[in-house]
Amino acid sequence: QKEVEQNSGPLSVPEGAIASLNCTYSDRGSQSFFWYRQYSGKSPELIMSIYSNGDKEDGRFTAQLNKASQYVSLLIRDSQPSDSATYLCAVPTSGTYKYIFGTGTRLKVLA
Amino acid sequence: DGGITQSPKYLFRKEGQNVTLSCEQNLNHDAMYWYRQDPGQGLRLIYYSQIVNDFQKGDIAEGYSVSREKKESFPLTVTSAQKNPTAFYLCASSQGSSTTEKLFFGSGTQLSVL
Repeated sequence: QKEVEQNSGPLSVPEGAIASLNCTYSDRGSQSFFWYRQYSGKSPELIMSIYSNGDKEDGRFTAQLNKASQYVSLLIRDSQPSDSATYLCAVPTSGTYKYIFGTGTRLKVLA
Repeated sequence: DGGITQSPKYLFRKEGQNVTLSCEQNLNHDAMYWYRQDPGQGLRLIYYSQIVNDFQKGDIAEGYSVSREKKESFPLTVTSAQKNPTAFYLCASSQGSSTTEKLFFGSGTQLSVL
């Protein structure tokens, strides 16, 4: 059973701070990694995708991937109250189209 | 506008009843998925389909059935064998040519037991 693990939180950060969200995965063959944001009662929306080791930046968001440690993270700079949501890490199992999601980390940005 | 349409938004099931959740996409995507989400939990894969007339079980397929007779449609039936069906059900699709592609999600169906 391939697994994707996240700390469920809640992770509370003050407005303007950096929020750091972490995800580990068990499938060493995984090549693609996705971060989704989900507001309560809504469907997930893609925030970032990353495929290579290192950092990938998009606006206030930075995804970091370390395949040797089987670890992917999402940094949110200048956190805003509107960033308060659950962040889901998704990893397709190698050789399949089976996208496995972590349990999600609930982020609270305090004004 | 291209997208994924799930219906109904809310659905109530009586004891012993089968119910079917609809999922239609006009994105011309090959792959489609059904996920279940319980309160405060992540998404768990029920079934997925990479091409028409073919589908695979996910991690929690027991008590559910699907069909993929048309590329744009992937309905999910929650059977009476699923004893705890109350959850938020999400349908998703992807191009299906590579796992570097993101999933597109529908707006979800909330299923409750009467």
